[in-house]
Amino acid sequence: DVVMTQSPLSLSVTLGQPASISCRSSQSLVYSDGNTHLNWFHQRPGQSPRRLIYKVSTRDSGVPDRFSGSGSGTDFTLKISRVKAEDVGVYYCMQGAHWPPYTFGQGTRLEIK
Amino acid sequence: QVQLVQSGGGVVQAGRSLRLSCAASGFTFSTYGIHWVRQAPGKGLEWVAIISSDGSYEYYADSVEGRFTISRDNSKNTLSLQMNSLRPEDTAVYYCSLLTTVTSFDSWGQGTLVTVSS
Repeated sequence: DVVMTQSPLSLSVTLGQPASISCRSSQSLVYSDGNTHLNWFHQRPGQSPRRLIYKVSTRDSGVPDRFSGSGSGTDFTLKISRVKAEDVGVYYCMQGAHWPPYTFGQGTRLEIK
Repeated sequence: QVQLVQSGGGVVQAGRSLRLSCAASGFTFSTYGIHWVRQAPGKGLEWVAIISSDGSYEYYADSVEGRFTISRDNSKNTLSLQMNSLRPEDTAVYYCSLLTTVTSFDSWGQGTLVTVSS
């Protein structure tokens, strides 16, 4: 199984400051279709997860452009350029290149300092 | 709009069975594979199962293989998860999700809590 490792596991960020989350996979996430199957999700307390980014760097509709994804192969990063209060919650990376099983990172909890 | 609405869940004794359902609307259900994902209390997300768009194949996490069965009815736009021989470690919020990785939309149900008592 592909292991997804996120760091840090928690972040405390001042409003308006940037935040960065790393996600590393135990195998390359480049699929036979040429796409890299790496998603980022955000889960607010008591809510369902919401996908933010797919294919490493493509933002979902309605996702603010302060969120950006980057990376390739086995190393990926989610960046928030200026953290807002609504960004609190847990962020997960997930791979869909080598399945079953689909695998998630452990999650990174973002709080406001 | 794209919607997945879940039903079922509740409290059940270990060893018993429970069935979860997920009703889809707002998209062509029969063209998408669909998943169940769960989240134990205070823990992260765990993939549980997938069924293909036409129901021709299904895969399961090792932790539920042989006990859970995923199924779908494309004529009714519904997904189900039959959970047998439940264990306390199956206690979690269960989500149905498209969990797409290359298409421009994704969707998750609202989640349903399953509590297995020993």
